[in-house]
Amino acid sequence: TQLLEQSPQFLSIQEGENLTVYCNSSSVFSSLQWYRQEPGEGPVLLVTVVTGGEVKKLKRLTFQFGDARKDSSLHITAAQPGDTGLYLCAGVLPSSGGSYIPTFGRGTSLIVHP
Amino acid sequence: EAGVAQSPRYKIIEKRQSVAFWCNPISGHATLYWYQQILGQGPKLLIQFQNNGVVDDSQLPKDRFSAERLKGVDSTLKIQPAKLEDSAVYLCASSWGPNSGNTIYFGEGSWLTVV
Repeated sequence: TQLLEQSPQFLSIQEGENLTVYCNSSSVFSSLQWYRQEPGEGPVLLVTVVTGGEVKKLKRLTFQFGDARKDSSLHITAAQPGDTGLYLCAGVLPSSGGSYIPTFGRGTSLIVHP
Repeated sequence: EAGVAQSPRYKIIEKRQSVAFWCNPISGHATLYWYQQILGQGPKLLIQFQNNGVVDDSQLPKDRFSAERLKGVDSTLKIQPAKLEDSAVYLCASSWGPNSGNTIYFGEGSWLTVV
């Protein structure tokens, strides 16, 4: 059973379209991160959200943490081919104590066609 | 600033053989992680080190996997004997410390195929 469920699993869209990726769980997280992973590379951190209801923007990317800190969404406006990649969410449970161990979802594979 | 270095980049071995992966974290980073990423899935933590001590190895299959970070810098991950289901990318990552304010940086990964 996955701690974090991401949807959709795959997304293929045309350049200029908008999209939203979801990350859901029944667990409460102390923080949640979004990463992008390109083929043949390791994941690269995009953002960390900590407060319930928090919204962060990174150029055309908007990240939201749910009020209850159980879910998050990533919205991309006017997608570009350079946005192609695997988008991973990772949550840190409060029970982690002194260790900081992000647990990853399966990811959403995004392809943006020119 | 140099990133997390991993080697070898690619490895193909037969089942029941052994393999070792090496990781050199970013200079000064005290926390080091090894993750396993199977195709189509997200990374799964195998082991976390803080300096040369193990913080969490609860998901490391200890009957065949071992990892060490003897001097608190470089780390090696060994698999012996390998199984077909060990085919995956092995990602090493590091951060300044174990707190949420510290960004985790990943290496490019070591791609293992077991045939």
